[in-house]
Amino acid sequence: EIVMTQSPATLSVSPGERATLSCGASQSVSSDLAWYQQKPGQAPRLLIYDASTRATGVPARFSGSGSGTDFTLTISSLQPEDFAVYYCQQNNKWPLTFGGGTKVEIK
Amino acid sequence: QVQLVESGGGVVQPGRSLRLSCAVSGFTFSDYGMHWLRQAPGKGLEWVAVISNDGSNKFYTDSVKGRFAISRDNSKDTVYLQMGSLRTEDAAVYYCASAAGNTAWYWGQGTLVTVSS
Repeated sequence: EIVMTQSPATLSVSPGERATLSCGASQSVSSDLAWYQQKPGQAPRLLIYDASTRATGVPARFSGSGSGTDFTLTISSLQPEDFAVYYCQQNNKWPLTFGGGTKVEIK
Repeated sequence: QVQLVESGGGVVQPGRSLRLSCAVSGFTFSDYGMHWLRQAPGKGLEWVAVISNDGSNKFYTDSVKGRFAISRDNSKDTVYLQMGSLRTEDAAVYYCASAAGNTAWYWGQGTLVTVSS
């Protein structure tokens, strides 16, 4: 199976600052990558699909980039509601696999 | 308004079975595949299974193959996960999600499965 690796595990950022989250795949997944946001006690929410396309209603401060094995989620100016755990997931091959998550916390 | 509502979770002994349901509203259920995913307490997300819109194609993660079965009833806008031979490591919050391509698009709020003697 394709192993997804996210870094860092925890990212401490001040509100208004930029956050850059990384996701790597053990083999190429083309652009078949999604990013999800999960807040405590809530279900995950789709943010980005096809590596760089924002899902419906997702603010423009969220952007995704990359293809092949290296991907990035950027939050341009962190808002209080953005502090959460972010997961990447490859949708290229079965079984679908997730990264271990990056927790974005308030600095 | 899209809604996915899971039910059927609870406490079950190792080796026993449980069936989860996910009732959907707000979109044309028969046009979309459906996923089941899970999250063990304090852990990350794990994809479990997917079924195509017409039920003809199904895929599973290796750890549940032969034990879990995904199915759907398009007349009831409901997807199911029949879980058998449950193990302690199957304990998790189970989520259903609609599939757009292979992406898990809309998610339910989850149902908790506890496997304990």
